[in-house]
Order: sequence, then structure tokens, then C-alpha cells
Amino acid sequence: DAKTTQPPSMDCAEGRAANLPCNHSTISGNEYVYWYRQIHSQGPQYIIHGLKNNETNEMASLIITEDRKSSTLILPHATLRDTAVYYCIVRVTYTGANSKLTFGKGITLSVRP
Amino acid sequence: NAGVMQNPRHLVRRRGQEARLRCSPVKGHSHVYWYRQLPEEGLKFMVYLQKENIIDESGMPKERFSAEFPKEGPSILRIQQVVRGDSAAYFCASSGLAGGTYNEQFFGPGTRLTVL
Repeated sequence: DAKTTQPPSMDCAEGRAANLPCNHSTISGNEYVYWYRQIHSQGPQYIIHGLKNNETNEMASLIITEDRKSSTLILPHATLRDTAVYYCIVRVTYTGANSKLTFGKGITLSVRP
Repeated sequence: NAGVMQNPRHLVRRRGQEARLRCSPVKGHSHVYWYRQLPEEGLKFMVYLQKENIIDESGMPKERFSAEFPKEGPSILRIQQVVRGDSAAYFCASSGLAGGTYNEQFFGPGTRLTVL
């Protein structure tokens, strides 16, 4: 699986949009971009994934650049409960030996009141 | 966390004892993954099992650790002769059809193992 690079931390004000960047310059054509988050001491939580088109769900939006070498996770109206470590992971979707998720250090998002 | 259950939530063992961690996947899921998170470190994959079979154990320590996912019952991660370095949070995740529609993995709340 391709490696990703994320800044170690960022913060944003409650109610504002949080834009979390991720670089994945070595991503291959069959690899998707996944985002998970881990709120302190809890199990990771799936947020969203995408291949090349922008995606939106009830939690967030995912913007992937045209060359697919980077992406941005957008939390449109951050709340204090969104304070967590966010992991950007690129991987193929089929199972087998490549099913595991490879977590990096992630980015720590701190939402301030 | 989509119905994955782990127990116990907290487990204390003395050095040399055995630890058994249980994971009940989301109903209908036949794929289970175990991850370990050492204090102040990231999550590391340990093993991937599909009913009665180990598919990928590339992250498992070579000794003392074993995992199973029997036809009936929960998946078990077993650590024999625990040492202080085994103290960590152990997370289980499950997925459905060949990893889910898009291979989403749903995580449990974890078991926090403390070795005294």
C-alpha cells in the first residue's frame, strides 16, 4: 500500500470548517483513499473513502486532486467531539493478504471552543 | 462502532500468566482483524482471520501470540506468558463480504491489557 504524509497536528475553532490535508504521491491506479479517526482511547471509526471523484457523506467531504497525489478531508462544521487523531490510508479494496489497514501517525485535530 | 464487541474491556495480568481477548464481530461478518496500539504509538496490524482460517499473520509476534476464529463463537487472541511489553490496547475489527462492499472495517472498543 502507498504511504501517506500528514502534518502532525492542527486546530480549528468550533463551528468552522476543518480541512485536513494528506499527501499520497505514490498512489497507484487501483488504490482508494480512506479516512479513519480515533477519538481518545476509543476504537478507530471509518469516516469516508474515495477513488478519484469527490465524495460526501453525513460526516465529511473528501476532495481528491485530479492527479490523485493528495486529498483533503473536510469537516464542514467542526465540534468539540471531532477532536481526534485522523488517519489517511490508501489501499486497494479487495480482500486477501492486502486487507489490513496500515495506520501512520495521523494528524491530531484539536477543536477549540 | 457498528456492533463489534470486545471483552474484557480491561484486563490485568501478572508476568507469566496467560491473557485471552475475545472479539465478537458484527453479526454476519466473517472477517476479523486484530490490531495492537502500544502506549503513545500508532495502531499496528497483527492478524487477519476468516472463519477458521488465518489469512495474514504477518504482524503477529513469532512467539507467545496466537489467534483463532472458530466456526462458532468469538475470535480469540491469546497471549501466553505475558511480559510487561505486552501492555497495550488491542482492537478487533470486522468486515463483511470479502472485506465489505468497499472493505470497510468496523472496530470494537478495544481491550486494554496491563501486565504487572
